[in-house]
Amino acid sequence: NAGVTQTPKFQVLKTGQSMTLQCAQDMNHEYMSWYRQDPGMGLRLIHYSVGAGITDQGEVPNGYNVSRSTTEDFPLRLLSAAPSQTSVYFCASSGQHEYGYTFGSGTRLTVV
Amino acid sequence: GEDVEQSLFLSVREGDSSVINCTYTDSSSTYLYWYKQEPGAGLQLLTYIFSNMDMKQDQRLTVLLNKKDKHLSLRIADTQTGDSAIYFCAESPGGYNKLIFGAGTRLAVHP
Repeated sequence: NAGVTQTPKFQVLKTGQSMTLQCAQDMNHEYMSWYRQDPGMGLRLIHYSVGAGITDQGEVPNGYNVSRSTTEDFPLRLLSAAPSQTSVYFCASSGQHEYGYTFGSGTRLTVV
Repeated sequence: GEDVEQSLFLSVREGDSSVINCTYTDSSSTYLYWYKQEPGAGLQLLTYIFSNMDMKQDQRLTVLLNKKDKHLSLRIADTQTGDSAIYFCAESPGGYNKLIFGAGTRLAVHP
């Protein structure tokens, strides 16, 4: 049981490039979310999904797109990377409220 | 609105109790959570409390909830050096299946 798997673990992008951060879970969880973590600001919700085909915006959605074509996968797309998107990105999934969310190990992204 | 606030830093001596405080704004939150993050790692769920409870104890951890004041606290008894980490409080605004986090409290444990 792998839990929540994020790839890549590290990435450096040039300003204006696009890329996709991958997230996969093997727990048949309905709910999945993407967060970014910046020093002193905790985790801020980017986008979330309550099931395949259903997504919604979080606190800081600008510059990011998501889709949820399967229960297992929830990729995060950066359309045109900017230095302000330098951050650590976490994907998380949940099946039931009382168990909270299970987090992946994160992707450290640097935009130069 | 949805907002969670925590103090940013706490320093305690090994063996003492640590108390980390949190205030939240969304009274519809069904569950409230405490997560722990060690350096370079993801977040690990420590414990949670249902909104109709006042207190929950789990080994060295005690969670207190004051719904009237929207105040949540985490007490760690007999704090050890392995407890040094960042602790995040999170609320779950009712019916939206998402978590809103505070900025995190960095706990430093010294001999």
